[in-house]
Amino acid sequence: DAKTTQPPSMDCAEGRAANLPCNHSTISGNEYVYWYRQIHSQGPQYIIHGLKNNETNEMASLIITEDRKSSTLILPHATLRDTAVYYCIHGAGNNRKLIWGLGTSLAVNP
Amino acid sequence: ETGVTQTPRHLVMGMTNKKSLKCEQHLGHNAMYWYKQSAKKPLELMFVYSLEERVENNSVPSRFSPECPNSSHLFLHLHTLQPEDSALYLCASSQEIGYTGKGYTFGSGTRLTVV
Repeated sequence: DAKTTQPPSMDCAEGRAANLPCNHSTISGNEYVYWYRQIHSQGPQYIIHGLKNNETNEMASLIITEDRKSSTLILPHATLRDTAVYYCIHGAGNNRKLIWGLGTSLAVNP
Repeated sequence: ETGVTQTPRHLVMGMTNKKSLKCEQHLGHNAMYWYKQSAKKPLELMFVYSLEERVENNSVPSRFSPECPNSSHLFLHLHTLQPEDSALYLCASSQEIGYTGKGYTFGSGTRLTVV
């Protein structure tokens, strides 16, 4: 089963970059890394995904190490609205048995 | 507007009641999912539907009964629940089964309390 390891909590000052790490040492060659976030009592929201190359979109950047065993989600200028639980998971196209961990609870402070 | 709408947002029911949760997706996706999220626990996959056919049932007790009448609608029928079934129930959809493209789109969930 696909499993990732994330720190349980992190703090970040508003306006600063938030760097959230994830270890996914069991990732297979055809599996993507996905990041979601969940604001309190809402459903998870897709942020970004990648396979090998670094990715950037309007929400965040994703840095994947060359061996693909870990990645970092970067929120370049964190705001109070970025306070949420961030989940890192990995899976392939036909893999339904994905394991969601407890994620990282990010607190953005004024 | 997430594209996946769940009703009701909150539900309180007694252990002898029968109720249903509804999910509707407006994204043209072919796969829909039910997840359970208990306090301080990770998301647990309950059921998976692909083109209205159930393809996954992860050892969920029979007091939870899913129904998928078409690719846009998904229901979770509840009966004789236990207090430990209190949780946030999330519906999700994806273009196809599993993880493709941007993965899942989740609804806002139904917060269920069993008394």
